[in-house]
Amino acid sequence: GQQVMQIPQYQHVQEGEDFTTYCNSSTTLSNIQWYKQRPGGHPVFLIQLVKSGEVKKQKRLTFQFGEAKKNSSLHITATQTTDVGTYFCAANTGTASKLTFGTGTRLQVTL
Amino acid sequence: DAGVIQSPRHEVTEMGQEVTLRCKPISGHNSLFWYRQTMMRGLELLIYFNNNVPIDDSGMPEDRFSAKMPNASFSTLKIQPSEPRDSAVYFCASSLAGREQYFGPGTRLTVT
Repeated sequence: GQQVMQIPQYQHVQEGEDFTTYCNSSTTLSNIQWYKQRPGGHPVFLIQLVKSGEVKKQKRLTFQFGEAKKNSSLHITATQTTDVGTYFCAANTGTASKLTFGTGTRLQVTL
Repeated sequence: DAGVIQSPRHEVTEMGQEVTLRCKPISGHNSLFWYRQTMMRGLELLIYFNNNVPIDDSGMPEDRFSAKMPNASFSTLKIQPSEPRDSAVYFCASSLAGREQYFGPGTRLTVT
């Protein structure tokens, strides 16, 4: 079945450093969504990418969808302690509403 | 908007007991999803409904798990009998027409 891998599994950065997580699919995707889950919380939707090569920005967060629509990345510039949490990509292969969530990248930010 | 509502928030039960988790999706959403999250297996989709009809239950672990959606505003996930390996956080999520999913706060289930 559909598999979505994310790397790294975990990253620990100092506040102010940049952070990137990568998401890779074995198949071509219709679209990809990104979610953030704070410790003890629930996943919260961040953004959806649909077009090949699409780049979207939300303040310090930059999201990119690969040209082949098989991979995606999330880059955070100048991390803050509020960025702590697990970031998930979620892939839609076009089968109705179903999403396949990636394995997640847990980000820890220290002062 | 109250968001997705789940109950109970925490459940501790003994092995062999029946457990029922409840979910109220966001009004107007036509898709509902049940997920299970553990450290070992991550976030797994168990089953999802479109317009109250189960579409894909391939993620349901075994016959001990069942889910129903009798109407557009209510769904249940039942485990009978429960086992310690069912201990996890169970999330319900809803969406409209395949757009972003809104997750509830989750039910933390502990089976002893």
